[in-house]
Amino acid sequence: DVKVTQSSRYLVKRTGEKVFLECVQDMDHENMFWYRQDPGLGLRLIYFSYDVKMKEKGDIPEGYSVSREKKERFSLILESASTNQTSMYLCASSLLGTGSRNTEAFFGQGTRLTVV
Amino acid sequence: QQQVKQSPQSLIVQKGGISIINCAYENTAFDYFPWYQQFPGKGPALLIAIRPDVSEKKEGRFTISFNKSAKQFSLHIMDSQPGDSATYFCAARKLTGGGNKLTFGTGTQLKVEL
Repeated sequence: DVKVTQSSRYLVKRTGEKVFLECVQDMDHENMFWYRQDPGLGLRLIYFSYDVKMKEKGDIPEGYSVSREKKERFSLILESASTNQTSMYLCASSLLGTGSRNTEAFFGQGTRLTVV
Repeated sequence: QQQVKQSPQSLIVQKGGISIINCAYENTAFDYFPWYQQFPGKGPALLIAIRPDVSEKKEGRFTISFNKSAKQFSLHIMDSQPGDSATYFCAARKLTGGGNKLTFGTGTQLKVEL
């Protein structure tokens, strides 16, 4: 059974803290993604990666960074947490898709982060 | 700037009715259009997907209609059931650099009433 595992379901951090969200996939997927989900705004892409040490900015990268040192692991880093980063964070992975190749993205259960 | 626009934000349908959710996009570089279903407390899961060279795809009660010239696609749920109550997201994939960027719409909260 395919699996994307996020290290925490719930997290409470203080303003200004450095926060690490970890994601591991066991499907040997090339692509990995970090999204945040907010009511009325849907899933917004923060960063994605298609290979070890390779990353690209998504639509809302400000205030975040990422790390991919191993193919199966993709970390999201909040350099200095702020209250407007309180959100649900979802990690996903997929095979690399080109042209006619359909690629399903598999999601983790999400991490509910509260910054106080 | 929302690259994939989705409507309506919420939808209430009677059991047995048809649920219709619409999406529109601007970027012609998108090459794959999936729909995801999300239940409370869970991550989204793939429901059905279509490529732009196909105008319709049907899987059971779920159908995607795709209009390439209008840059619009929609999800139809026939004979809607209470178990279909969930949040639905359309999405679009684009090749970029060495990987795939997957962009989602804002979601539609569907409630199917008895």
